Amino acid sequence: QQQVKQSPQSLIVQKGGISIINCAYENTAFDYFPWYQQFPGKGPALLIAIRPDVSEKKEGRFTISFNKSAKQFSLHIMDSQPGDSATYFCAAYPLDDYKLSFGAGTTVTVRA
Amino acid sequence: DTAVSQTPKYLVTQMGNDKSIKCEQNLGHDTMYWYKQDSKKFLKIMFSYNNKELIINETVPNRFSPKSPDKAHLNLHINSLELGDSAVYFCASSPGTAGNTIYFGEGSWLTVV
Repeated sequence: QQQVKQSPQSLIVQKGGISIINCAYENTAFDYFPWYQQFPGKGPALLIAIRPDVSEKKEGRFTISFNKSAKQFSLHIMDSQPGDSATYFCAAYPLDDYKLSFGAGTTVTVRA
Repeated sequence: DTAVSQTPKYLVTQMGNDKSIKCEQNLGHDTMYWYKQDSKKFLKIMFSYNNKELIINETVPNRFSPKSPDKAHLNLHINSLELGDSAVYFCASSPGTAGNTIYFGEGSWLTVV
């Protein structure tokens, strides 16, 4: 049973556009919400992460928006570039647990 | 320097064989993991060790056996390989406390024919 639901499965965006990926969870014990970026042939790498005590976190062109009451969080990629083409995974786990639950992944393609 | 390294990167083997994947991390982390990524890219945890002690053992066939000789190494041995074992296996590590960033290796592509 997938504990973190992620959508869309894939998206195509033009260079300079905004990519938006959404995730939802049920487990209220989740306390840490990282996003991972995976390029073909590579392992996932941490992109940005948020804890539920803040509603937004921005790092460069990447922003996480977090809605604790709705149990939803999203990744926005502003000014998308071809180099951003990758698979993005949202994830979550409780603070006292080592078991990171991943979403199903979103393949982002940025067209030049 | 590679932080989490695993070998081999590619492995093609026949059904019924036994194979091992080795993993080493040089980050000084206390916790190591094995994740499986299937053909649909879904990532699922298999095992986790903290200071050589097994702390997570998901519902994985007992043909899969992890071994951690020390906290910098976590190997995965698979007996009697089946077609359904074909996947990418990622080793990962994190600092000792939960809720920390997990660092992944580059993956081992296992194909069972």
